[in-house]
Amino acid sequence: DAGVIQSPRHEVTEMGQEVTLRCKPISGHNSLFWYRQTMMRGLELLIYFNNNVPIDDSGMPEDRFSAKMPNASFSTLKIQPSEPRDSAVYFCASSVRYNEQFFGPGTRLTVL
Amino acid sequence: DAKTTQPPSMDCAEGRAANLPCNHSTISGNEYVYWYRQIHSQGPQYIIHGLKNNETNEMASLIITEDRKSSTLILPHATLRDTAVYYCIVSVLTGANSKLTFGKGITLSVRP
Repeated sequence: DAGVIQSPRHEVTEMGQEVTLRCKPISGHNSLFWYRQTMMRGLELLIYFNNNVPIDDSGMPEDRFSAKMPNASFSTLKIQPSEPRDSAVYFCASSVRYNEQFFGPGTRLTVL
Repeated sequence: DAKTTQPPSMDCAEGRAANLPCNHSTISGNEYVYWYRQIHSQGPQYIIHGLKNNETNEMASLIITEDRKSSTLILPHATLRDTAVYYCIVSVLTGANSKLTFGKGITLSVRP
């Protein structure tokens, strides 16, 4: 049982570059969540999908952020263009029952 | 507008029970109490949840007061590996409003 898989684990990029974070949920899970964690703001829900359909994207900070889930086994979170304030750890989580979520190891993003 | 209140930190001795309190005085009748924890540099981990009855699983016990305005997470025999931030969250089980809002949590330090 591989758990939620995220890639890359670490990403360092320069301001203005496009960043794509990837997530593979646990097989059979029908809900997928993207979170962001910083020291200042804590853990914030950005967007979640149910059966590959975005249900709530009210946490997405601005138009520079977009998320897709083209199929049940893959999701991406894209930031274009990236800014230093986007530096954070980004977590993906999946679940069968909405609130029993299994989190991935996270992607640590640094934007210079 | 936090729905839960937790002390910022506590500690306990290894092998002893750790009792982590949480206040949720404005909890609604259909809201569950969830506990997650986050060990340093890892994604959050689901522990347990309950509505009004006490619950127990292999990780912990959850005691909810009769008026449901507070609860206690009990780790019966704390180990050093239980050192983490513990989040108490209230949420409905399913539906569009079913999402986890993480507060600051309580930092539990287990000392040898």
